[in-house]
Amino acid sequence: QKEVEQNSGPLSVPEGAIASLNCTYSDRGSQSFFWYRQYSGKSPELIMSIYSNGDKEDGRFTAQLNKASQYVSLLIRDSQPSDSATYLCAVATGYSSASKIIFGSGTRLSIRP
Amino acid sequence: GAVVSQHPSWVICKSGTSVKIECRSLDFQATTMFWYRQFPKQSLMLMATSNEGSKATYEQGVEKDKFLINHASLTLSTLTVTSAHPEDSSFYICSARAGGSSYNSPLHFGNGTRLTVT
Repeated sequence: QKEVEQNSGPLSVPEGAIASLNCTYSDRGSQSFFWYRQYSGKSPELIMSIYSNGDKEDGRFTAQLNKASQYVSLLIRDSQPSDSATYLCAVATGYSSASKIIFGSGTRLSIRP
Repeated sequence: GAVVSQHPSWVICKSGTSVKIECRSLDFQATTMFWYRQFPKQSLMLMATSNEGSKATYEQGVEKDKFLINHASLTLSTLTVTSAHPEDSSFYICSARAGGSSYNSPLHFGNGTRLTVT
């Protein structure tokens, strides 16, 4: 079983709609959860981090965390063509600055005009 | 804030030669840096954790004698790919936490180095 799993997509969403991206993780001891966006040929950029159960909103983005179900999601409202990218779910386990962050394989999102 | 600079952005080298990649934290100190590798259409795979002033910790399957990591200061880590072969061609990305010792801090990435070995 992979440590962090995501549907590879591609996920195609019409412009202006809500895009929903999902992620599950295997280590119940995971403490920190992140969503990154990666454009082709570029390095990842941080979108959001979440640490507690529930929802966390930042502009058009909402991250949701359910530790009991070991599930993290990212909602993108009012999707724009510029949101077309690969979205990486990342999970950190441990309590030190050296705790590793493991990435899922990413979900490719395509926003169609 | 939290800028990580990586150099070079791309490099082409001949098989058998060595290549050094530098990773600098520009506006913060990083006791720990992480080196990832990404093959086309695949996710980031952690290669090693670079620790300032001590030996790097390598992930299973990563040859420490081939991928030499040096973290000589709080702002600089280097990855040297020794005796490079075409199968080492990949996108190498370094990252660091900007939050000091906080395990909750997210990683900030350099722009990556695209290595092509001919």
